[in-house]
Amino acid sequence: ILNVEQSPQSLHVQEGDSTNFTCSFPSSNFYALHWYRWETAKSPEALFVMTLNGDEKKKGRISATLNTKEGYSYLYIKGSQPEDSATYLCAFNTDKLIFGTGTRLQVFP
Amino acid sequence: SAVISQKPSRDICQRGTSLTIQCQVDSQVTMMFWYRQQPGQSLTLIATANQGSEATYESGFVIDKFPISRPNLTFSTLTVSNMSPEDSSIYLCSVVGQPYGYTFGSGTRLTVV
Repeated sequence: ILNVEQSPQSLHVQEGDSTNFTCSFPSSNFYALHWYRWETAKSPEALFVMTLNGDEKKKGRISATLNTKEGYSYLYIKGSQPEDSATYLCAFNTDKLIFGTGTRLQVFP
Repeated sequence: SAVISQKPSRDICQRGTSLTIQCQVDSQVTMMFWYRQQPGQSLTLIATANQGSEATYESGFVIDKFPISRPNLTFSTLTVSNMSPEDSSIYLCSVVGQPYGYTFGSGTRLTVV
């Protein structure tokens, strides 16, 4: 059974703080690793799809890194804002997406 | 990328009844995916729906409980049959997105009482 783990489960930070979360996934048979941002009552939004070991991707204040050999990816948010409050999901892409349980981020003004 | 309209957004249903969830995509897509997220759990794939053929169900999910229709390339329905409180979940449909990742509907939050 393929397992995708995310940590921490939840995180509370002050506006302006930088933060990061971890996604661990199987290091064998790697195809791609996805990151999504999911706000309550909205659709999950694709942030990154990462395929190459050592990949780093950036979208505004959010960036992600990938280590396929050891099976982890980090998501970083620089200078968190209240609008960053959401659940951040990673998903390991084999022939289907296998999701972690997510990291719930709350940013307080 | 594709835009998905999913209905209903939420519902409260009596146990033993059935609920049909609809997803309409604004463009033609080959495959549509149905997911479930039970409280505290991961998003889990229920089935993949191709137009003109039977849906392919993941381990632990059966057609009698979650019948799926895919009458054309822009529409699909998922029915949650004979509901019990354990079916209380968020249900999402999804298609392969452009330029990357998957595009999701906004979800159906189901509570079974």
